[in-house]
Amino acid sequence: DIQMTQSPSSLSASVGDRVTITCRTSQRISTYLNWYQQKPGKAPKLLIYAASRLQSGVPSRFSGSGSGADFTLTISSLQPEDFAIYFCQQSYSTPTWTFGQGTKVEIK
Amino acid sequence: EVQLVESGGGSVQPGGSLRLSCAASGFTFSNYEMNWVRQAPGKGLEWISYISSSGSSIYYADSVKGRFTISRDNAKDSLYLQMNSLRAEDAAVYYCARVEIVVVTAIRYDAFDLWGQGTMVTVS
Repeated sequence: DIQMTQSPSSLSASVGDRVTITCRTSQRISTYLNWYQQKPGKAPKLLIYAASRLQSGVPSRFSGSGSGADFTLTISSLQPEDFAIYFCQQSYSTPTWTFGQGTKVEIK
Repeated sequence: EVQLVESGGGSVQPGGSLRLSCAASGFTFSNYEMNWVRQAPGKGLEWISYISSSGSSIYYADSVKGRFTISRDNAKDSLYLQMNSLRAEDAAVYYCARVEIVVVTAIRYDAFDLWGQGTMVTVS
């Protein structure tokens, strides 16, 4: 099985900050990596697929990069509505998938 | 409106059974591969089962294999999860999720683009 490790597990940031979250996989997965945002009590929302492609309707302040085993989600200027938990997901082993443990973005 | 709506959650004793349903609307359900994903309280997301658009291909996570059964009825635009021999560790919010497939330079990429609101399962 492909293991996913996100870092940090949580972070505190201010509105306007640039935020970076990292996802590392236990084996190389090319660009088969997705990112989701989850707010309290809500279902996850797809932000980025194929490592760097922005899902329709997602603000351009979100971006993804990486390939192989190291990936990054960047929020260029953190907005109040961005405080949430972010999960990475590998789709290399489709039709089975694995999620990272999540990164909680909190208000400083 | 394009949406997925889960139902069937509730409280059950260890060893008991539940059947979850996921009703799809606003899109052609029979064209889409579907999944169940769960989230234990305060924990991360765990993929547990996949079914192809026709229902002919099915996969399970090891944690539920042999106890849970995924199925679908395309005539009713519905997805199901039959859960047997429930354990305390199965307590979670259960989400159904649609697979979006995008082909980029002849390479298939997939992601879960539509999720239901979730249904809670308690085992105690």
